[in-house]
Amino acid sequence: DSGVTQTPKHLITATGQRVTLRCSPRSGDLSVYWYQQSLDQGLQFLIQYYNGEERAKGNILERFSAQQFPDLHSELNLSSLELGDSALYFCASSVGLADGWAGELFFGEGSRLTVL
Amino acid sequence: GIQVEQSPPDLILQEGANSTLRCNFSDSVNNLQWFHQNPWGQLINLFYIPSGTKQNGRLSATTVATERYSLLYISSSQTTDSGVYFCAVDENYGGSQGNLIFGKGTKLSVKP
Repeated sequence: DSGVTQTPKHLITATGQRVTLRCSPRSGDLSVYWYQQSLDQGLQFLIQYYNGEERAKGNILERFSAQQFPDLHSELNLSSLELGDSALYFCASSVGLADGWAGELFFGEGSRLTVL
Repeated sequence: GIQVEQSPPDLILQEGANSTLRCNFSDSVNNLQWFHQNPWGQLINLFYIPSGTKQNGRLSATTVATERYSLLYISSSQTTDSGVYFCAVDENYGGSQGNLIFGKGTKLSVKP
């Protein structure tokens, strides 16, 4: 058990819909990262938050958005879903010190999204 | 951006055999981690090893940062070692925030 909690574990929805994935980081970790794993693209970094602020952006679509709340949990919102958004979405957390050294990343079990 | 290449892409072993997985990266790094993704999709931390050598049971890893590669050794493989092994690095330059760039992985199948 990595200590990172993601919900839901599985989600099936239809094209055009919107879903929210939730992540609780390990106790004491300030940085949260979101990754997408699809068959054709591998593990892709989407976005990172540190202590409530966006810190880095990767290959995140405009239809996707995220935030980190004061209690440090994070949510990833996926809207106007398309078939190609079907993937495993991982959240990770790390200590994430202010000077930029992030430390070791620990991953949750993922949320498997299927868009029909 | 930084490139991460893993080899071999696929590996089939008989139970009890040893193996070496390689990870090459194109620039200096702050962080290098090895993960095992099991058949259920879980990403399990194996090593946090930006440099040096570490061992954990039958697994060990070595990173030679100056030559930009890392090796993961699996000895006396077991069927439970099957899955995909990922190497991931964090670019070492101003503005890096810790996000990892993953290689494409090595898919390991251990036969009984």
